[in-house]
Amino acid sequence: DGGITQSPKYLFRKEGQNVTLSCEQNLNHDAMYWYRQDPGQGLRLIYYSQIVNDFQKGDIAEGYSVSREKKESFPLTVTSAQKNPTAFYLCASSKGQGASSPLHFGNGTRLTVT
Amino acid sequence: AQKITQTQPGMFVQEKEAVTLDCTYDTSDPSYGLFWYKQPSSGEMIFLIYQGSYDQQNATEGRYSLNFQKARKSANLVISASQLGDSAMYFCAMREGGRGGSEKLVFGKGTKLTVNP
Repeated sequence: DGGITQSPKYLFRKEGQNVTLSCEQNLNHDAMYWYRQDPGQGLRLIYYSQIVNDFQKGDIAEGYSVSREKKESFPLTVTSAQKNPTAFYLCASSKGQGASSPLHFGNGTRLTVT
Repeated sequence: AQKITQTQPGMFVQEKEAVTLDCTYDTSDPSYGLFWYKQPSSGEMIFLIYQGSYDQQNATEGRYSLNFQKARKSANLVISASQLGDSAMYFCAMREGGRGGSEKLVFGKGTKLTVNP
């Protein structure tokens, strides 16, 4: 079955360390996204990519970086510059960019930085 | 400006009853899509239902229906015959479609639904 795989499910890091969250999809979707969710909040867009080797900043890109070297993969690096990195991170993909294209999500990675 | 507003932080419903979750939106784009997602405590986001701005009829998917009132800019989710497994967070979201589409799916802050036995 096609889907989006995020790993690991839980991640713990010390403050000052960079950490990379994995996101892989086998849906053959062109667009991929990273969202951040804080407790009791909706989702906020970090980065998105419409095609390979291209990506754009979302609403809260500071302290994060991404790459899109393959269509299937869109890893997110949380750098030490991100002031409040502890959060739930969701990766998503969509077939197109039209208004009717829903996003399909992975199961998320819960990052805790101490 | 906030584009999606969900005014109910929490809702309670008795099992087997219907419940309506409110959502209002704001956009100047004539072409847009409205989505509802369910997020159980495990965290995954599950796509439930979609309504296009030009759709003449309200969308339905099984026990889910969308009460779309375009003039009021509201897109309320109706869940009929509630089940215990419906207890979750529910998010309303919008994607604008003008000029080839939008990169963003913008979310509301969500409503926590609790179904009581």
